[in-house]
Amino acid sequence: GAGVSQSPRYKVAKRGQDVALRCDPISGHVSLFWYQQALGQGPEFLTYFQNEAQLDKSGLPSDRFFAERPEGSVSTLKIQRTQQEDSAVYLCASSRTSGDTDTQYFGPGTRLTVL
Amino acid sequence: GDSVTQMEGPVTLSEEAFLTINCTYTATGYPSLFWYVQYPGEGLQLLLKATKADDKGSNKGFEATYRKETTSFHLEKGSVQVSDSAVYFCALSGGSGNTPLVFGKGTRLSVIA
Repeated sequence: GAGVSQSPRYKVAKRGQDVALRCDPISGHVSLFWYQQALGQGPEFLTYFQNEAQLDKSGLPSDRFFAERPEGSVSTLKIQRTQQEDSAVYLCASSRTSGDTDTQYFGPGTRLTVL
Repeated sequence: GDSVTQMEGPVTLSEEAFLTINCTYTATGYPSLFWYVQYPGEGLQLLLKATKADDKGSNKGFEATYRKETTSFHLEKGSVQVSDSAVYFCALSGGSGNTPLVFGKGTRLSVIA
């Protein structure tokens, strides 16, 4: 079956531009997560949805970052007024349930470069 | 907060050598533990997991045992292959009742023929 997909795969933005990153989770998966992975580092948690409810956004680094999942399926991560420090790979993951034992399935990521 | 510490890389081994990648964690409660792998040019994939103390996760010849007494989840493989070259991430979930994964920094493994 189809896995988690993300688009675009690569995005180059000029400093100050707004960007929107899309995630299509596995169909029927309840939980959706966004992570940020800097070069040479492990992924770091940004935000978490259970269906359409954003239950945790404690990892969002600033109020320039905003995420939504309005119908409990597709999610969009928006970054306003991008800065160079926002350059990273943004990973989306989904899991079938809301339990912490459940496997999270990752998409290929969107590599954002801010010039 | 919860954290994961794994051995620094890179690790370079000859084919058929024994592999150990150390991972220790700090967490409140009873987390689930995971190893994820990232092959060159590919996304993160689950390699194995263990959800309670003394459980052993295994897959593709890799094993890791959840040791609560030493707060460890070391990854082992008896005989590595060139195709095992990748970055390996140790992670936990549910340590403080939170579902999102907390990752280590990753260990790059290179296996040479």
